Amino acid sequence: GNSVTQMEGPVTLSEEAFLTINCTYTATGYPSLFWYVQYPGEGLQLLLKATKADDKGSNKGFEATYRKETTSFHLEKGSVQVSDSAVYFCALSWDKFYFGSGTKLNVKP
Amino acid sequence: GAGVSQSPSNKVTEKGKDVELRCDPISGHTALYWYRQSLGQGLEFLIYFQGNSAPDKSGLPSDRFSAERTGGSVSTLTIQRTQQEDSAVYLCASSSRVSGRADTQYFGPGTRLTVL
Repeated sequence: GNSVTQMEGPVTLSEEAFLTINCTYTATGYPSLFWYVQYPGEGLQLLLKATKADDKGSNKGFEATYRKETTSFHLEKGSVQVSDSAVYFCALSWDKFYFGSGTKLNVKP
Repeated sequence: GAGVSQSPSNKVTEKGKDVELRCDPISGHTALYWYRQSLGQGLEFLIYFQGNSAPDKSGLPSDRFSAERTGGSVSTLTIQRTQQEDSAVYLCASSSRVSGRADTQYFGPGTRLTVL
């Protein structure tokens, strides 16, 4: 079947630290992959996406590369800010959407 | 253009009452999803509509929950005989399809349901 597994949170980092949030997937076909972000008290919004193997999605300093060989789509940012504190969801789309369980990121000043 | 809208934004009801939650998807989007998000939790898939196909109801937690999508557009999620454990934020999302795959989902602001 299709599923997404992402690292458990919360992840707590100091400002300007490097961020990695791991995401791996299982899919029966060739899915598109997404990262969504939910800031405190707000709705879910698309952060970035990639539609085929080796594609790199990027937005707001965040990046993720679609790795077919490792079935992964890890989210990275070189220098996090307090304003990046949020819950991050990895997702895949094939016949429908499948979301991971979410990873809460806390960034301390 | 207009995004996904949901109404009401907040709903407070008494245990045992029925509630209806409404979702207006983005015009032209063939897919519509309902999710539930309890405080501090992840997304719980409820139901998925795609075009004229039979809906995927595999996530509905009990037969008290039902949903309709009229004319391939507006959707209503109905919860009968509400229970306190139904208290949550109910999210609606819509998307189109590209190359046979579901495309980017766009979420509404949600309806916060509180069952007293």
